[in-house]
Amino acid sequence: EVQLVQSGVEVKKPGESLKISCQGSGNIFSSFWIGWVRQRPGEGLEWMAMILPGDSSTKYSPSFEGQVTMSVDMSVRTAYLQWSSLRASDTAIYFCARRYCTSNNCYIDSWGQGTLVTVSS
Amino acid sequence: DIQMTQSPSSVSASVGDSVTITCQASHDITYHLNWYQQKPGKAPKVLIYDASKLQLGVPSRFSGSGFGTDFALTISNLQPEDLATYYCQHYDNLLFTFGPGTRVDLK
Repeated sequence: EVQLVQSGVEVKKPGESLKISCQGSGNIFSSFWIGWVRQRPGEGLEWMAMILPGDSSTKYSPSFEGQVTMSVDMSVRTAYLQWSSLRASDTAIYFCARRYCTSNNCYIDSWGQGTLVTVSS
Repeated sequence: DIQMTQSPSSVSASVGDSVTITCQASHDITYHLNWYQQKPGKAPKVLIYDASKLQLGVPSRFSGSGFGTDFALTISNLQPEDLATYYCQHYDNLLFTFGPGTRVDLK
């Protein structure tokens, strides 16, 4: 079973940059798309984007295109999500998640524990 | 783009009750519908995939039904540990779409 372990709590000021991480266990990390989900305080789940570690292919939700950047370092089996200039509205918990597919349908079968990002002046 | 709606937004029920949550897609999605449970302070976990298939390890009191645009998640014999928010989700073209969620409280 793949486990996803995320980096810790972050407290930042508006305008600062940030990179959070998600490390996967297991030797098939490269074979599954790894995505990011935002959950603002008291709100629902929002799909942001995902990356295929094996070749760094990416897909961004239109709502998040240009707002964040994903990357991956296969040598440490870690996916990253980064911001160049944070806003207060980026305050949220960010989950990384693994996509799993049946014949024609995909769902998330593994989740990281979440990284709380607080942006406040 | 396909939009997902859920109802009700919240429901209160007693231990032992049966609770049904519905999810509607804006277009026909056949059976490509999944359900998650998120307990307070925790990451979500999948309960049902392909509209009606129970994920390994999930109690059999959870069941899913539906096809096309209308789907339902039923929790039979509600237990205290079922206090959570439940989300439906559709996947298409490398994008996930979640419903807004239904909170289940215990009376």
